Amino acid sequence: NAGVTQTPKFRVLKTGQSMTLLCAQDMNHEYMYWYRQDPGMGLRLIHYSVGEGTTAKGEVPDGYNVSRLKKQNFLLGLESAAPSQTSVYFCASSYGPLNTEAFFGQGTRLTVV
Amino acid sequence: GENVEQHPSTLSVQEGDSAVIKCTYSDSASNYFPWYKQELGKGPQLIIDIRSNVGEKKDQRIAVTLNKTAKHFSLHITETQPEDSAVYFCAALYGNNRLAFGKGNQVVVIP
Repeated sequence: NAGVTQTPKFRVLKTGQSMTLLCAQDMNHEYMYWYRQDPGMGLRLIHYSVGEGTTAKGEVPDGYNVSRLKKQNFLLGLESAAPSQTSVYFCASSYGPLNTEAFFGQGTRLTVV
Repeated sequence: GENVEQHPSTLSVQEGDSAVIKCTYSDSASNYFPWYKQELGKGPQLIIDIRSNVGEKKDQRIAVTLNKTAKHFSLHITETQPEDSAVYFCAALYGNNRLAFGKGNQVVVIP
């Protein structure tokens, strides 16, 4: 059982480039989340989804878009990368709402130069 | 606002001693408080959680206590072992279904 898998694990982008981070879960979870983790800042929610075909904004959504076309996948897009988006990105999923256990992927380290 | 403060930022303990991390939260309506452990190069993993209808919960060497009046909750690790070295995050669930995380606490267990 793979759990939550993120691809890629590392990426370096130039300012203005675009990319998509892929998150896949094999636990049949309804809820999926994208967080960013910055030094001394904890985890901040970017966007989340409560089911296939739905998305919602989190705490820091600006500069990001998401899509949940299939229940098992949650994509995070950066249309025009900025140095401020240099961070470690974590995807998570849970069976129910946020008051149930969230399972995290191993993270994607993104550097924008 | 939705704020979770976590203290101390770094904690070093001798192997076998206890470690305590304290978090405070701002919204008295919060009712779910999980603790996550993050090992180097890995994603956070839930280790214990507590809901507002109980004051304490234990799971082997780990316990969490909740004081709703004072709006703080604490993680207690007894008989610490080297594998307990990690970053620990507390979180609180706010009414708009948002988990607010603390900034993390680096625990170092010295053999």
